Amino acid sequence: SQQGEEDPQALSIQEGENATMNCSYKTSINNLQWYRQNSGRGLVHLILIRSNEREKHSGRLRVTLDTSKKSSSLLITASRAADTASYFCATRGSGYSTLTFGKGTMLLVSP
Amino acid sequence: NAGVTQTPKFQVLKTGQSMTLQCAQDMNHEYMSWYRQDPGMGLRLIHYSVGAGITDQGEVPNGYNVSRSTTEDFPLRLLSAAPSQTSVYFCASSPTLAGQDTQYFGPGTRLTVL
Repeated sequence: SQQGEEDPQALSIQEGENATMNCSYKTSINNLQWYRQNSGRGLVHLILIRSNEREKHSGRLRVTLDTSKKSSSLLITASRAADTASYFCATRGSGYSTLTFGKGTMLLVSP
Repeated sequence: NAGVTQTPKFQVLKTGQSMTLQCAQDMNHEYMSWYRQDPGMGLRLIHYSVGAGITDQGEVPNGYNVSRSTTEDFPLRLLSAAPSQTSVYFCASSPTLAGQDTQYFGPGTRLTVL
């Protein structure tokens, strides 16, 4: 069964606006990762946050993690049309364990 | 580096036919995996391998076989295709199954079973 659940399922914004996506999970994790999928393509890794980290930045991306609430958020600042894609969170448990993906958020950024 | 490659890109099968989806990586990664992606379901793990000769089942393994004879290749076999196997299939690899390793995905194979 899926570990992560993204919210919202779909998000439509204008260029220049910020986009926030949330991910909730059920069991303890070693780390949480965010991936992007452009239409018809494979997933591309964006950012990883460890369970002992609370916030991480990479360019226009900001990820937060709240392990007490078992939730994470991905903020994309100053969105561009090229950010239009589906975004997935994926969790990894402790030790050697596989990644478990959520169902994704579809982001549409209009010019 | 080509990264992770998958063939074919598209395939149409009739119920009961068999086929093999090919996956190869040139990054010397130990870990390889197969996912299927269905609308509204995200990615679900089918099978994975932590090295040549070692495979294990994921969340949805029924109807699929895998083997790993080399580090580079990880084919997925459908022995008797069913319409429920209509999906987009992604192969992924990472250096190991260790916590901080991230996955590299192939471009996918879109399979339709009639």
